[in-house]
Amino acid sequence: DSGVTQTPKHLITATGQRVTLRCSPRSGDLSVYWYQQSLDQGLQFLIQYYNGEERAKGNILERFSAQQFPDLHSELNLSSLELGDSALYFCASSGTGQGTKNIQYFGAGTRLSVL
Amino acid sequence: AQSVTQLGSHVSVSEGALVLLRCNYSSSVPPYLFWYVQYPNQGLQLLLKYTSAATLVKGINGFEAEFKKSETSFHLTKPSAHMSDAAEYFCAVSDGGYNKLIFGAGTRLAVHP
Repeated sequence: DSGVTQTPKHLITATGQRVTLRCSPRSGDLSVYWYQQSLDQGLQFLIQYYNGEERAKGNILERFSAQQFPDLHSELNLSSLELGDSALYFCASSGTGQGTKNIQYFGAGTRLSVL
Repeated sequence: AQSVTQLGSHVSVSEGALVLLRCNYSSSVPPYLFWYVQYPNQGLQLLLKYTSAATLVKGINGFEAEFKKSETSFHLTKPSAHMSDAAEYFCAVSDGGYNKLIFGAGTRLAVHP
């Protein structure tokens, strides 16, 4: 168990809908990352938050947004969903200590199916 | 810009045989390198990491990897494969700190009796 919790595990929805994926980082970790894993694109970095502030953006669509709350949990919002958004979405967190800030621990992922 | 290339999308070995999964990286700064394993329907588990200390890195489950700067490689090895090693393996690079990981395309390891 990595200590990173993602909910829900599975999400099935229709095109055009909006969903929210939730991530609770390991206790004390300030940095949260979101990744998308799909068959055609592989594992891609979407966005990173550090202590509530957006720190880096990757290949994240404008229809997608995220935030990190004061209790450090994070949510990834996906709107106007398309079939191609079907993927496994991972959250990861990293610590603040010298030995842990370079290491990202991953949650089990949320599998999104858009029908 | 950083990138990772994993040679061989599928590798098949016999139980007890050597496992060698290849990873080459490109980085304009000293890299931090990682191997993650993903079992079916599960998340990514960190196997081992290179963060500029010893070039030979030992990880969990008997895996190890050697950082070779001259070859820009970070190949993953295990002396004797076990059936439970069947999974997908990802090599990743970052420039350290709180920065994003860039993943290779993954190598699916099959272990047959």
